[in-house]
Amino acid sequence: GAVVSQHPSRVICKSGTSVKIECRSLDFQATTMFWYRQFPKQSLMLMATSNEGSKATYEQGVEKDKFLINHASLTLSTLTVTSAHPEDSSFYICSARVQGDPYGYTFGSGTRLTVV
Amino acid sequence: GQQLNQSPQSMFIQEGEDVSMNCTSSSIFNTWLWYKQDPGEGPVLLIALYKAGELTSNGRLTAQFGITRKDSFLNISASIPSDVGIYFCAGQMGGFQKLVFGTGTRLLVSP
Repeated sequence: GAVVSQHPSRVICKSGTSVKIECRSLDFQATTMFWYRQFPKQSLMLMATSNEGSKATYEQGVEKDKFLINHASLTLSTLTVTSAHPEDSSFYICSARVQGDPYGYTFGSGTRLTVV
Repeated sequence: GQQLNQSPQSMFIQEGEDVSMNCTSSSIFNTWLWYKQDPGEGPVLLIALYKAGELTSNGRLTAQFGITRKDSFLNISASIPSDVGIYFCAGQMGGFQKLVFGTGTRLLVSP
């Protein structure tokens, strides 16, 4: 089946620094990837939709200059949290849609970001 | 952002018991999906529903797509300890559309 690899699984960074999270589709091409944020004991909230070769579409209230998304190839999307603050600490999860399948979403294993 | 309401919020049951949870929305969805999330992991798809009224099973799991297209139900029969986790429903307006997730139901199973 379709597999999405997300890296790193955990990262700790200092306030003010930037962190990059990678999301790779291992055995399929993903023209569209999604980035979610999940706070403890809460649901997944969509941050942005990433389309290969074009600008990402951000959900209302998500700062595009703070959460930079790049989807440069059909198998890789990256999320960079810039100038991180402690309130950015969260669980970030990516999801990829299998090309040509309107209902096939596969999720990565998530990245736990802690900003100190 | 939009969220779907799930109930109950949490459940603590004995192994072997059956479990029911539901998901409601103020909006109509054309696809309903049920996911399970283990701690520190991403969600894993359990069941997908594509038609109003559809009843679909996957092993001990059974899910139904409500007739009004505004709700869905998930039942787990004969629960086992590995059923522990958080169950999320997700609605989708149509193909290629983004998912809207429910608030989640946390399930704990006592051996």
